[in-house]
Amino acid sequence: LAKTTQPISMDSYEGQEVNITCSHNNIATNDYITWYQQFPSQGPRFIIQGYKTKVTNEVASLFIPADRKSSTLSLPRVSLSDTAVYYCLVGLPLYGNKLVFGAGTILRVKS
Amino acid sequence: NAGVTQTPKFQVLKTGQSMTLQCAQDMNHNSMYWYRQDPGMGLRLIYYSASEGTTDKGEVPNGYNVSRLNKREFSLRLESAAPSQTSVYFCASSGYRGDYEQYFGPGTRLTVT
Repeated sequence: LAKTTQPISMDSYEGQEVNITCSHNNIATNDYITWYQQFPSQGPRFIIQGYKTKVTNEVASLFIPADRKSSTLSLPRVSLSDTAVYYCLVGLPLYGNKLVFGAGTILRVKS
Repeated sequence: NAGVTQTPKFQVLKTGQSMTLQCAQDMNHNSMYWYRQDPGMGLRLIYYSASEGTTDKGEVPNGYNVSRLNKREFSLRLESAAPSQTSVYFCASSGYRGDYEQYFGPGTRLTVT
């Protein structure tokens, strides 16, 4: 499994766009990049997954450069309720390949 | 559609006691998982079940046993609880999108004194 590196914490204000970058220098050819969100006292929640370029859904966008050695989760116009821990995971999304969660990035949104 | 449910939500045990954590999902998923999360840490996989009738060890299986009772239910048993097993336990399941899109339950907060 590719090792990932994320900032330990980030602070932002309501209404701002937040970009969380994840470094994964040894990503394998077939690996995907997946992000989870975890609110205090809750289980993680799948946010977005991508392989290359850009993926967007109703919650976030995921930007992946051509070399795929890093990725950026973008949260548009955050609110206080986006305060959470965000995990970046890299691996082949097939049965038998297990998720490995690091410590994640603590995002604190302030008013 | 309740998703993934876990019981109990909270539990306090004395060292040496045993208990079973229950998990059920109503999404017709094949795979189910048990994780533990210690304060300030990421989740660590204890056991998983790729399909009904199969179970495999994860990263930290020692001190735990599991049973995949049927497609819906996956239980985690602590035979002789130890203070090192104080943690929050999460159950998860995944369907046709594979292991990387998992759905998590609300967790069980376990304290062993």
